[in-house]
Amino acid sequence: DAGVTQSPTHLIKTRGQQVTLRCSPKSGHDTVSWYQQALGQGPQFIFQYYEEEERQRGNFPDRFSGHQFPNYSSELNVNALLLGDSALYLCASSLVRPSRWHYGYTFGSGTRLTVV
Amino acid sequence: GESVGLHLPTLSVQEGDNSIINCAYSNSASDYFIWYKQESGKGPQFIIDIRSNMDKRQGQRVTVLLNKTVKHLSLQIAATQPGDSAVYFCAENGGNNRLAFGKGNQVVVIP
Repeated sequence: DAGVTQSPTHLIKTRGQQVTLRCSPKSGHDTVSWYQQALGQGPQFIFQYYEEEERQRGNFPDRFSGHQFPNYSSELNVNALLLGDSALYLCASSLVRPSRWHYGYTFGSGTRLTVV
Repeated sequence: GESVGLHLPTLSVQEGDNSIINCAYSNSASDYFIWYKQESGKGPQFIIDIRSNMDKRQGQRVTVLLNKTVKHLSLQIAATQPGDSAVYFCAENGGNNRLAFGKGNQVVVIP
């Protein structure tokens, strides 16, 4: 049973460029959340998708946008990249209606984005 | 917004000893807490969780304690092994399946 898969694993972009990161959720999961993890910090919530719509959003500018497809996979897009966008971007999948009380929150290994 | 934080940045522990990692949270409305382990180059890995209506939960070699009175969470690792070396995060779910993480606590196991 494949867990959460993310691509690419590493990426180098130039300031001002745009980037798209991809995520396939764990089989059976219907909700995808994206997190940004700066070096030495805990993950910060960006947004969450369910039924192909953004359901919740953290404190991130509109340069960060996303999409969820009918097969539950998701993309994270970042426009006009800044040096400060350099981070590990994590995708987590879960169930919108948890089994009992365990949400099944599962993380992928992330995409390491470096902006130069 | 309210956030979860950890007291100690680094914990060095002798192999075989027990480890205790502490975490303070501020959102009294949080009803679910998770401990994650993150190794270098990997995503957070689920260790154990606990709901707010519980005080203690045990897993294999790990125990999570929740003290709602002082908003404190701890993770105990029994007989720490070299493979336990990692960064540990506590996270809280304030609702809607959205997690808030602290900065993390590095555990270094000394052989």
